[in-house]
Amino acid sequence: KQEVTQIPAALSVPEGENLVLNCSFTDSAIYNLQWFRQDPGKGLTSLLLIQSSQREQTSGRLNASLDKSSGRSTLYIAASQPGDSATYLCAVHSGGSNYKLTFGKGTLLTVNP
Amino acid sequence: EAGVVQSPRYKIIEKKQPVAFWCNPISGHNTLYWYLQNLGQGPELLIRYENEEAVDDSQLPKDRFSAERLKGVDSTLKIQPAELGDSAVYLCASSITPAAAEQFFGPGTRLTVL
Repeated sequence: KQEVTQIPAALSVPEGENLVLNCSFTDSAIYNLQWFRQDPGKGLTSLLLIQSSQREQTSGRLNASLDKSSGRSTLYIAASQPGDSATYLCAVHSGGSNYKLTFGKGTLLTVNP
Repeated sequence: EAGVVQSPRYKIIEKKQPVAFWCNPISGHNTLYWYLQNLGQGPELLIRYENEEAVDDSQLPKDRFSAERLKGVDSTLKIQPAELGDSAVYLCASSITPAAAEQFFGPGTRLTVL
């Protein structure tokens, strides 16, 4: 059974700082990994999707890496802004016939002005 | 392009009452998912549809939960009767295909059972 762990559970940083969110998963047989953002009381917004054959994906100030063999992914946020404050969720898309996203519990990020 | 639409956004009911949630996926997305998200947790899959067929409902508590997607487009998730422990956010998502496809989520329905 796939398990996804996100560290840290919460992070508070001053505006402008670069930061890294971590995600680890137990079964390396994955199709892809997806990073989401969730604002309070809202649904999930997809940030980046990394296919299993890729090492990283970039979108603006966000960069996500994937090391499938070690079961790890990181989300790097450059020059953080107060508007980046949200919960960031990592989800792994399992292989085989079970096309299922397994989520971590998320990292609550607060960027202070 | 319109995103995934869900209604209602919020619902408060007494325990033992029935409740239904509606979802309209992104146009052209054949795969539809219902997820349950408890406070402080990541979403967990309840059921996945390929067009009108429920191909994975192994996590759906079938004694009280049911779902349908009759024409392969919009979908309804029902709980009858609701219990206190059902209070959570119910999320709907869609994708073009299930295999290695990016999933897009709706805003969710926050259910409170009193």
